[in-house]
Amino acid sequence: LAKTTQPISMDSYEGQEVNITCSHNNIATNDYITWYQQFPSQGPRFIIQGYKTKVTNEVASLFIPADRKSSTLSLPRVSLSDTAVYYCLVGDLLAEDDKIIFGKGTRLHILP
Amino acid sequence: NAGVTQTPKFRILKIGQSMTLQCAQDMNHNYMYWYRQDPGMGLKLIYYSVGAGITDKGEVPNGYNVSRSTTEDFPLRLELAAPSQTSVYFCASSYSFGTGSYEQYFGPGTRLTVT
Repeated sequence: LAKTTQPISMDSYEGQEVNITCSHNNIATNDYITWYQQFPSQGPRFIIQGYKTKVTNEVASLFIPADRKSSTLSLPRVSLSDTAVYYCLVGDLLAEDDKIIFGKGTRLHILP
Repeated sequence: NAGVTQTPKFRILKIGQSMTLQCAQDMNHNYMYWYRQDPGMGLKLIYYSVGAGITDKGEVPNGYNVSRSTTEDFPLRLELAAPSQTSVYFCASSYSFGTGSYEQYFGPGTRLTVT
């Protein structure tokens, strides 16, 4: 089971790029890295998923170095509405005794 | 598509009462999950199912039971409710692409208070 470590909280300003890094030193060969966003009183929402190198979609980019022991979620030009909790997940549900762990996530606060 | 739906949205239970939280999805996903989220904390996996008739324990299964008789429905049963089960419960579903992580779709949650 690959455990993840993220900063508890981060502050940034509108219009800036925000990078949230997640450490997962014990990531397994078949594990993927997935990021979710959660607003208060709502269920988490999938943002992006990757295995290695770089993945980009209309919302964010995910950077994964060659050793895959960490990953960085990059949010371009954030706005106040990006204030939320961001979770980094690593795991393989089909692996024996592996369970998906959300952790406490990173509370991102965007300031005007 | 309605996605993942959960009922009820809110519920107050007395200690020792039982109830069933309903969850349904219309995306033909084979994986379904139940999580609980305590205030200020992350989500903890209670039970999950990889298909109809197959369920397995997650991180915190004690005090709960599940069944999966159809692809669409995945009810969570609380027997003998305790104050420690006061939480927000989220149901989710996904279509696994094989080994590795996958995109989960979450319902709006059920806020349960046990007093």
